[in-house]
Amino acid sequence: AQSVTQLDSQVPVFEEAPVELRCNYSSSVSVYLFWYVQYPNQGLQLLLKYLSGSTLVKGINGFEAEFNKSQTSFHLRKPSVHISDTAEYFCAVSEGVLTGGGNKLTFGTGTQLKVEL
Amino acid sequence: NAGVMQNPRHLVRRRGQEARLRCSPMKGHSHVYWYRQLPEEGLKFMVYLQKENIIDESGMPKERFSAEFPKEGPSILRIQQVVRGDSAAYFCASSPPNTKNTGELFFGEGSRLTVL
Repeated sequence: AQSVTQLDSQVPVFEEAPVELRCNYSSSVSVYLFWYVQYPNQGLQLLLKYLSGSTLVKGINGFEAEFNKSQTSFHLRKPSVHISDTAEYFCAVSEGVLTGGGNKLTFGTGTQLKVEL
Repeated sequence: NAGVMQNPRHLVRRRGQEARLRCSPMKGHSHVYWYRQLPEEGLKFMVYLQKENIIDESGMPKERFSAEFPKEGPSILRIQQVVRGDSAAYFCASSPPNTKNTGELFFGEGSRLTVL
């Protein structure tokens, strides 16, 4: 069975500072990896995804993540954060397209990013 | 360009009542998923459905919970005889048919159930 670990439940950071949100996964097969962002009282919005190819993936809002197969990690980074980046960030893993064509994502417990002035 | 639509956004029920949550997937999407988010926790998979079929219900509680995705109309998550522990945000997601699958799920804004 697959699982996702987000070690940091909260990450405070000052505006314009860099940030890294950590994500490690466990799976017995090749995986697809995702980062989603959730703003208060809203649904989840896809930030970026890794399916195959280049291990450095760029997403929306200046975020990027690097897939590291040997360390089973998919850490999210941004070189300079903004107040508007304050939100909850979820890492997720999928073991690929299921029989029937669907995607079953397993989520981590989330990391609350709080950007301060 | 409507996304995944969920209603109601907020629902209050007393213990023992029934809760019905509805979800219309994005246009062109044929797969629907329900996830539950408890306070201070991540999203937990509940069920994956296609039209008129439950494909994977491994995350559904054994009692009181059911889901359907009829040929016509939205998908419905039904919770009978609600208890306080059912208070949570319930998210619906959808994905396109296999030939257009890009891996991710597209989420609605959630239905927040409060049980008094």
